[in-house]
Amino acid sequence: GAVVSQHPSWVICKSGTSVKIECRSLDFQATTMFWYRQFPKQSLMLMATSNEGSKATYEQGVEKDKFLINHASLTLSTLTVTSAHPEDSSFYICSAREQGWDEKLFFGSGTQLSVL
Amino acid sequence: RKEVEQDPGPFNVPEGATVAFNCTYSNSASQSFFWYRQDCRKEPKLLMSVYSSGNEDGRFTAQLNRASQYISLLIRDSKLSDSATYLCVVNPERSQGNLIFGKGTKLSVKP
Repeated sequence: GAVVSQHPSWVICKSGTSVKIECRSLDFQATTMFWYRQFPKQSLMLMATSNEGSKATYEQGVEKDKFLINHASLTLSTLTVTSAHPEDSSFYICSAREQGWDEKLFFGSGTQLSVL
Repeated sequence: RKEVEQDPGPFNVPEGATVAFNCTYSNSASQSFFWYRQDCRKEPKLLMSVYSSGNEDGRFTAQLNRASQYISLLIRDSKLSDSATYLCVVNPERSQGNLIFGKGTKLSVKP
């Protein structure tokens, strides 16, 4: 089946630094990728929808200048958490939708971000 | 009303037990429905889609009641490996591919 690779799995960083998370579709082309955030004991919350070659669409309440998303190719989307603060500590997961499969999503393995 | 609502549990059951999870959704125009399974600090994995006619996959049975906006998942003969959080997921009409996740119901199967 289709595989989505997300890297890194764990990040510990100091407050004020920026962190980049990569999401790659390994064996299919993903025109759309989604970025989610999950706090402990909470549901996955969609942060933004990333379309290849265009600007990402952010959900209400998500700061686009803080969470920079780049989807430069059909197989790679990146999320950069700029000037991270402790409240940004969370589990971030990407998912990718394969071309032609409107509802079938493949998830990355997630990134646990801890900001000190 | 939350878009997708689930009983958070936890459900603590012995091996071999039958357990049922319920879920309600608020958007009556929602198009499709799923159950995902998520292990701690792992990505969600699709367990099964849910159809109006009901569908079964081995020990798992899913039901959808559009009139009541209600979805269920039944697990028979629980195994230790079934321990996880089960997420009720809805694809609303307004945004294709943007799945709405419930908070999940935690299941713990004990020996």
